[in-house]
Amino acid sequence: LAKTTQPISMDSYEGQEVNITCSHNNIATNDYITWYQQFPSQGPRFIIQGYKTKVTNEVASLFIPADRKSSTLSLPRVSLSDTAVYYCLVGDESSGYSTLTFGKGTMLLVSP
Amino acid sequence: IAGITQAPTSQILAAGRRMTLRCTQDMRHNAMYWYRQDLGLGLRLIHYSNTAGTTGKGEVPDGYSVSRANTDDFPLTLASAVPSQTSVYFCASSDSPGTGGTFGFGYTFGSGTRLTVV
Repeated sequence: LAKTTQPISMDSYEGQEVNITCSHNNIATNDYITWYQQFPSQGPRFIIQGYKTKVTNEVASLFIPADRKSSTLSLPRVSLSDTAVYYCLVGDESSGYSTLTFGKGTMLLVSP
Repeated sequence: IAGITQAPTSQILAAGRRMTLRCTQDMRHNAMYWYRQDLGLGLRLIHYSNTAGTTGKGEVPDGYSVSRANTDDFPLTLASAVPSQTSVYFCASSDSPGTGGTFGFGYTFGSGTRLTVV
């Protein structure tokens, strides 16, 4: 049973805003939504986390509607260096929500 | 710089041999994790440890074992390597096992070990 669903890939151009939407229909009441970024040959890097409404940091914004069944990662004015795989995660019920299950992520390709 | 150190960076291993991948963190995080990453399959959890002295099985634990004798170290052992264990292995840690770590910090990952079993 997939915990999260997100697009396999997305294309964009430098300077554009990119929005990646993730669905998590079965998210637990007390669970957070977390996004990671992974560059080739590197481990994933935590970028943003939220519970509801909107969260913003120096890297991205995260929008979460009231029902929390989806979330949208927003990257403002992307550059070539934002080309990476982006993972949306919620807790893993099988471990009592003490671990995270990574899906296949969204491959974002930013072109000049 | 605080973080996670994995060793070796890469290894070619003959099938049937025993191998231990090392993972050390200097952040005094309570929880540690081992993931493997394969093309087209994303990252899959092998084993985890919520605190020193305890371990748990993840999604793909068969053929692997772990131990957590202290807070800093979380070695992953392949008792008898097989070609299907060819993968990139990532170790991670978090200060709290609950819902992916203390809010706003998440997991810290190492740089990975690329293992080829031939």
